[in-house]
Amino acid sequence: EAGVAQSPRYKIIEKRQSVAFWCNPISGHATLYWYQQILGQGPKLLIQFQNNGVVDDSQLPKDRFSAERLKGVDSTLKIQPAKLEDSAVYLCASSLGTPGLREKLFFGSGTQLSVL
Amino acid sequence: GNSVTQMEGPVTLSEEAFLTINCTYTATGYPSLFWYVQYPGEGLQLLLKATKADDKGSNKGFEATYRKETTSFHLEKGSVQVSDSAVYFCASNQAGTALIFGKGTTLSVSS
Repeated sequence: EAGVAQSPRYKIIEKRQSVAFWCNPISGHATLYWYQQILGQGPKLLIQFQNNGVVDDSQLPKDRFSAERLKGVDSTLKIQPAKLEDSAVYLCASSLGTPGLREKLFFGSGTQLSVL
Repeated sequence: GNSVTQMEGPVTLSEEAFLTINCTYTATGYPSLFWYVQYPGEGLQLLLKATKADDKGSNKGFEATYRKETTSFHLEKGSVQVSDSAVYFCASNQAGTALIFGKGTTLSVSS
């Protein structure tokens, strides 16, 4: 079974530039998550999709971050313009059904973003 | 709000030593509890979980027991191996919500 695919693996940009990350979840997984993991901290949820609808984006800095999952499959996360504090690993995860107490998340390897 | 607190690392052990990584949680209800592991260069993967009080999750020699009275879910292993070197994350969630993670504990095992 193929895992969660993310690209690029690394990205280096200057502040005020824009950047986009791509995620392809496991086939058939309805729920997709984007997490931000700053060095030395645990992953923090940015946005959660159920199929192509947004379930939770309460912690997404909407003035600069946007995400979409138009066909309910793959997803893109964009930052425009980037700030120094956006340097982090951006993790995509997927799960089979609706969020629940026993739902297992499968994570991609992440995209490491460095903003200079 | 809900949160997870785990002991700070790094934890440095010799092979075959006993491991404990402490984790406590705060929640308004009765969350499910998880330990995720991140090996060098790899993505996060589920290590074990427990969904109700007194449940014990176990996998690859690791164990953790859901203790409602102490709101804890400490990770233990009786004899660690070099291959266990990784970052370990405690996490919790409640119905309809995404996982909340602790800050992670780095484990380094030397031979």
